[in-house]
Amino acid sequence: DTEVTQTPKHLVMGMTNKKSLKCEQHMGHRAMYWYKQKAKKPPELMFVYSYEKLSINESVPSRFSPECPNSSLLNLHLHALQPEDSALYLCASSQGRYGDSGEAFFGQGTRLTVV
Amino acid sequence: AQSVTQLGSHVSVSEGALVLLRCNYSSSVPPYLFWYVQYPNQGLQLLLKYTSAATLVKGINGFEAEFKKSETSFHLTKPSAHMSDAAEYFCALPVDSSYKLIFGSGTRLLVRP
Repeated sequence: DTEVTQTPKHLVMGMTNKKSLKCEQHMGHRAMYWYKQKAKKPPELMFVYSYEKLSINESVPSRFSPECPNSSLLNLHLHALQPEDSALYLCASSQGRYGDSGEAFFGQGTRLTVV
Repeated sequence: AQSVTQLGSHVSVSEGALVLLRCNYSSSVPPYLFWYVQYPNQGLQLLLKYTSAATLVKGINGFEAEFKKSETSFHLTKPSAHMSDAAEYFCALPVDSSYKLIFGSGTRLLVRP
């Protein structure tokens, strides 16, 4: 199984809502990532969890709150988002650091629209 | 500083023609280099990766890339384009030994019938 599964595929939320994005992988990977991708741009790294601990936070606003309940699951909790947060949110996983062990496997993404 | 440059934000080819997507990197000899493909409203899929084991790397869907240290390039090619190849292609380079990837700006491949 080389899949990273993200739910939901599409999400529309109001600026006062609270919602969560979910990501799951069963490849035994110990690093999991959240990326944000705007139209016609490459993905931008938001957070990295390594061995279930937050390793990197790329100065992401606190209205985005990541959580790693176990080695297979990654959540992104959303609260009080702004319309400019509308984007494709991608989850990825890798066996270790990119430079040590190779590539990331990406999920299909959640298309988020904030209204 | 490490960087990745993809020349040409859009490349248009006829079906059956050669596909050439350019990627240049700036780094000491990288341990890995990747090409990812992204179809509309999809995630990224790994096409191929350079691991220093071989300079000519074959990937999925008939794509291949050649690592050229002297030119600091890792261009992606396919002998004959298919309509299904229309997508966004990203070249990516790991940042040293870290959890960060440097992505190129992407190249949109258009395939004309």
